[in-house]
Amino acid sequence: DVKVTQSSRYLVKRTGEKVFLECVQDMDHENMFWYRQDPGLGLRLIYFSYDVKMKEKGDIPEGYSVSREKKERFSLILESASTNQTSMYLCASSQNIGTNTEAFFGQGTRLTVV
Amino acid sequence: AQSVSQHNHHVILSEAASLELGCNYSYGGTVNLFWYVQYPGQHLQLLLKYFSGDPLVKGIKGFEAEFIKSKFSFNLRKPSVQWSDTAEYFCAVNRAGSARQLTFGSGTQLTVLP
Repeated sequence: DVKVTQSSRYLVKRTGEKVFLECVQDMDHENMFWYRQDPGLGLRLIYFSYDVKMKEKGDIPEGYSVSREKKERFSLILESASTNQTSMYLCASSQNIGTNTEAFFGQGTRLTVV
Repeated sequence: AQSVSQHNHHVILSEAASLELGCNYSYGGTVNLFWYVQYPGQHLQLLLKYFSGDPLVKGIKGFEAEFIKSKFSFNLRKPSVQWSDTAEYFCAVNRAGSARQLTFGSGTQLTVLP
């Protein structure tokens, strides 16, 4: 089974802090994604990466950056956390072979910025 | 860019009732379509997917969905719901041949009353 693991289930951070959310997948997937999930808005794509050191902006990249130094790990960075970044953050991964594949999700990190 | 609309934000049904959740997408090309489910406190998991072939696809737990290309729709159905189907359901789409941009709808919360 594919496993996508996010390092924390719950995080509480102060406004202005630099925050790191970590995600690891164990199936050698090329693609990795970061979404945020908010009630009534569904999942919105922040960033995705299709290879090591490669990244592309999603729909809502402002205030975030990402890092992918190794294939299995994809980090989301909040440069200076703000209260409007309080949300559930979901990491996902998928294969690129044939490109007709589904994404597998981690269990999410609920971030509260106070 | 593609987009996904889920018309029902919250659906409440009694056990044994039939279910149909609407999903429409906007993209003129060939697409892959997905339904994901998120049970309370759990991670997102794939319910079913359509890549090509028979437009009626069957998924886990008795769910099925029908792809109607002329209507840009991919509605989810279940003939008889159970209390354990209480969850949030998300429709998602990506362009065939491109796993990178997976776009989600806003989700439908299904509550099944015992």
